[in-house]
Amino acid sequence: DAGVTQSPTHLIKTRGQQVTLRCSPISGHKSVSWYQQVLGQGPQFIFQYYEKEERGRGNFPDRFSARQFPNYSSELNVNALLLGDSALYLCASSYWTESYEQYFGPGTRLTVT
Amino acid sequence: AQKVTQAQTEISVVEKEDVTLDCVYETRDTTYYLFWYKQPPSGELVFLIRRNSFDEQNEISGRYSWNFQKSTSSFNFTITASQVVDSAVYFCALSETLYSSASKIIFGSGTRLSIRP
Repeated sequence: DAGVTQSPTHLIKTRGQQVTLRCSPISGHKSVSWYQQVLGQGPQFIFQYYEKEERGRGNFPDRFSARQFPNYSSELNVNALLLGDSALYLCASSYWTESYEQYFGPGTRLTVT
Repeated sequence: AQKVTQAQTEISVVEKEDVTLDCVYETRDTTYYLFWYKQPPSGELVFLIRRNSFDEQNEISGRYSWNFQKSTSSFNFTITASQVVDSAVYFCALSETLYSSASKIIFGSGTRLSIRP
């Protein structure tokens, strides 16, 4: 079975632009979580979605938003990009909302110039 | 507040030496999970182990071993006879239950391990 997939792998954006990152969970998994990993730090929780509803949100500004589709795939949107948004964005999927069985994807590396 | 502390920012050892990565956590949950992940230069998080709060048995997997001590809130990771391929950043992590049955993983800041030939 395929693991968690994320696209694109890398992208470069300019300050003030908007970006959309995509995640496809493992088949059968209904929950998707998003994490941001800034260089030199551990991943930080952004959102958790289950059955298309937001179930948890980390300490991130409203510029960050997400949604989950009927097929359980998810998009993370970041508006008005700042230099500090440059990071590796990780998606994790699980069947339920329990984090003990979260499986991480390879990540999308976003560079904001 | 829930927190994971990895006090060792960087460790460098010579190949074949044993090395222990320390992890101390704080949690208000009575049931929780602890994790260790490896992150090689490629960036992908590689899951190593998960341990629930009710299972304090130490675990060994090949050259890897983990020591969970609830009394000291520690979950240390030892690599025996280290190899160059073990070079990576290692993260200790803790589950946290949120409202509405959601949960998240809290990561430590990581320990960069370099194994010199």
